[in-house]
Amino acid sequence: AQSVTQLDSQVPVFEEAPVELRCNYSSSVSVYLFWYVQYPNQGLQLLLKYLSGSTLVKGINGFEAEFNKSQTSFHLRKPSVHISDTAEYFCAVAGAGSYQLTFGKGTKLSVIP
Amino acid sequence: KAGVTQTPRYLIKTRGQQVTLSCSPISGHRSVSWYQQTPGQGLQFLFEYFSETQRNKGNFPGRFSGRQFSNSRSEMNVSTLELGDSALYLCASSPGTGPYNEQFFGPGTRLTVL
Repeated sequence: AQSVTQLDSQVPVFEEAPVELRCNYSSSVSVYLFWYVQYPNQGLQLLLKYLSGSTLVKGINGFEAEFNKSQTSFHLRKPSVHISDTAEYFCAVAGAGSYQLTFGKGTKLSVIP
Repeated sequence: KAGVTQTPRYLIKTRGQQVTLSCSPISGHRSVSWYQQTPGQGLQFLFEYFSETQRNKGNFPGRFSGRQFSNSRSEMNVSTLELGDSALYLCASSPGTGPYNEQFFGPGTRLTVL
């Protein structure tokens, strides 16, 4: 079984400042890791995913994440946020051989003008 | 390509009733998953279907059921509704057979149980 912990439920940040949203996971098998974003009244959209290979993964809208196996983390970063980045962000894990995503509780990012 | 569509978008029911939600995946996608999203529990996996077969089921009571048709469209049913079933129900489709494939989410059906 897998589990995901998103360490911050809410993160306020000023526009054009950098941001890091933290995610830790636990699993007894190898995993695939994902970050999704949810805008108000919408479904989820994939930002990026780690399957294998390079531990630094680049996604859409200028986001990137780094997979750290020893710390079982997959933190999401953006060097300069915009108002339009205000949304809820979910970290998710899928275990090898599993057909389900296990999500964290989400982090609400609020960008302050 | 059209995205994942879910109908209806909003639904109000009373306790004890049953409800059926529908999901049409992206054309060519054979895997459909369902998730329940609530403020308290977050996103929780309900079940996943591939080629009309349920491959995985989450930890929900038997009142929650689903099926997938030969055209990959899927329905989920909740019988004997309880107040706690009020939630956003999200459907996601995926093109492939593995967990590494991106899941594409629909806008959800917001169910309110009174």
